[in-house]
Amino acid sequence: QVTLRESGPALVKPTQTLTLTCTFSGFSLSTSGMCVSWIRQPPGKALEWLALIDWDDDKYYSTSLKTRLTISKDTSKNQVVLTMTNMDPVDTATYYCARTLAYKHFDYWGQGTLVTVSS
Amino acid sequence: EIVMTQSPATLSVSPGERATLSCRASQSVSSNLAWYQQKPGQAPRLLIYGASTRATGIPARFSGSGSGTEFTLTISSLQSEDFAVYYCQQYNNWPVGFGQGTKVEIK
Repeated sequence: QVTLRESGPALVKPTQTLTLTCTFSGFSLSTSGMCVSWIRQPPGKALEWLALIDWDDDKYYSTSLKTRLTISKDTSKNQVVLTMTNMDPVDTATYYCARTLAYKHFDYWGQGTLVTVSS
Repeated sequence: EIVMTQSPATLSVSPGERATLSCRASQSVSSNLAWYQQKPGQAPRLLIYGASTRATGIPARFSGSGSGTEFTLTISSLQSEDFAVYYCQQYNNWPVGFGQGTKVEIK
């Protein structure tokens, strides 16, 4: 059974760095073809893909946010970590992690974690 | 980057009726297109991938069609649990992109 769960702060201040952790089970990120992405959704708005890390430790980022994002993995802990620097109120959103097989669709999603950026 | 455009933004349908949702890509994505359903307070759920393949456990009333730049999600007979927001997503080119969503509401 594949599960993913996001964790991190619910509230961050403007200019701070956000660190989110995705803890997953039911698959290994060392298996060929496995990828984990981060996706966010501002309240009432559409989904926005942020970053992906694959089984070979290759990393890809949203063009518009790449200077602020870092994605990493700890295969032994079944975790993927996303950091986003210089947080702004417009970054207020629910942040999801999701599994991708071979750079295709997102077949399993975490329940999401709401991050509010406010002073 | 490929831009995904969904129409209409809102679709008002009576239970039991057919719903047809459209998704257009700014350039060809072949059949690398997925559809997701999202209910309030929940994560998106994969419905369709490869433009027309239903994901595990998805009822047969959901069907997808299209290739290239034009895609359709059809719900043949809307059930109460189908009222939600639907997103299309292309994965032919990375970075991937989602459409803005179509809200299917009760008429």
